[in-house]
Parts: sequence; structure tokens; C-alpha cells
Amino acid sequence: EAQVTQNPRYLITVTGKKLTVTCSQNMNHEYMSWYRQDPGLGLRQIYYSMNVEVTDKGDVPEGYKVSRKEKRNFPLILESPSPNQTSLYFCASSLWGTGGNIQYFGAGTRLSVL
Amino acid sequence: SQQGEEDPQALSIQEGENATMNCSYKTSINNLQWYRQNSGRGLVHLILIRSNEREKHSGRLRVTLDTSKKSSSLLITASRAADTASYFCATVNRVSNDYKLSFGAGTTVTVRA
Repeated sequence: EAQVTQNPRYLITVTGKKLTVTCSQNMNHEYMSWYRQDPGLGLRQIYYSMNVEVTDKGDVPEGYKVSRKEKRNFPLILESPSPNQTSLYFCASSLWGTGGNIQYFGAGTRLSVL
Repeated sequence: SQQGEEDPQALSIQEGENATMNCSYKTSINNLQWYRQNSGRGLVHLILIRSNEREKHSGRLRVTLDTSKKSSSLLITASRAADTASYFCATVNRVSNDYKLSFGAGTTVTVRA
């Protein structure tokens, strides 16, 4: 089954404790992206990657890191989480370009930073 | 930055009625997409309309695009309780070369039985 898998689904942590949210897709998509969703703000892009070893900042990259060492994986790293990073996070993948960038989303990771 | 803005923010209708929501955007687009999100879950792609298209249908969904007004509408006909969800428009910017998707804040639709 074609899917984007995020882990964990729920995470409660404390300020400053490094964490990683994993994302994996099995559709051989070049394009992967991380979003955060906050009430009233819709989805805002954090980082995206157009292929292995190619990543770029989205609209709200501060406080986040990503890497793309393999095509299927795109982890999101919070080196020193802060309470303003409490949010619902989504990973997505797509065939970019002529496919129109139709994105397939993971189920989400709800993060609380205390 | 947010490109699309949906209107209304929230909509409550009776089962069987039609639901219409609108999306306005600011810059020239390559295409515009609509997504649905059930409460707290991942978004699901519904329909894509390209900048040279004016109308598109998919089942009970009808999307229109007016590039002169920089606006789109999504019509859900004969709504069902299962259509209760948030709906987001997303645009792919024509100018940038990265096919980045910019989402609006969404319209929350509640279908009453």
C-alpha cells in the first residue's frame, strides 16, 4: 500500500531535549516536505527536499533541521525544542514537476513541548 | 507565506444540501489544488485544476477557477455526514521553479444529519 509513515504519532517532551520525527515513503517520490499546522494558520512549510541531498528552507525553518540521505526518508530534527514548536506536524511526498506536485500526507505527529 | 485564503472560515449545512467554499490567491499560479482533512488527520488530495482550465468535476465535487479574479470555488453537491471535514486550497506558484505548495487556512464544513 502506498503510504507516508511518520513516527511517533504523539510526543511530549521538555524544552531543550533534542528529538527526531521520522518520515518514510514507499512511492519512490523525489519531493518530500515537512509542514506544521497551527489553529487559524493552516499549513506552513518548514523544509522541503527535491531529491537526495537536496534540501531547502520553507516558510518557517527556524529551530528545525532536516536531512535527505536516502530517497525514502526525510527526518525532521529539533535540536533544542521550545514551547512555540508545540504543533501538529505533517510529512508529505510527491512526484514534483509535471505531476503538479500532488502531495501525499502522513497521519501527523502531535508534539507538545513543555 | 500563505497564498490562498478560504472563505468562509466555517460552514454548517444540512445533509443533502450543497456546500460552496471559495479560495482567493495573490500571485500567478501553475495549478490550484483542493485537499480535505478529517479532524486531526493527514490531508487527502481531492482535485487539481491547472491554470488553463476553468472547471473540473470529480464525483460530487466541482471546482472552478477564475485566473482573472485569482479565485477558485469548491462545490460539494448532495452533502453527506462523511463530508464533515476541513477543506484547504493550495496553489503552486507559476514564477518559482520549485513547485512549492502554499496552503490557505481552510474552511471547516459541518454536515448535520
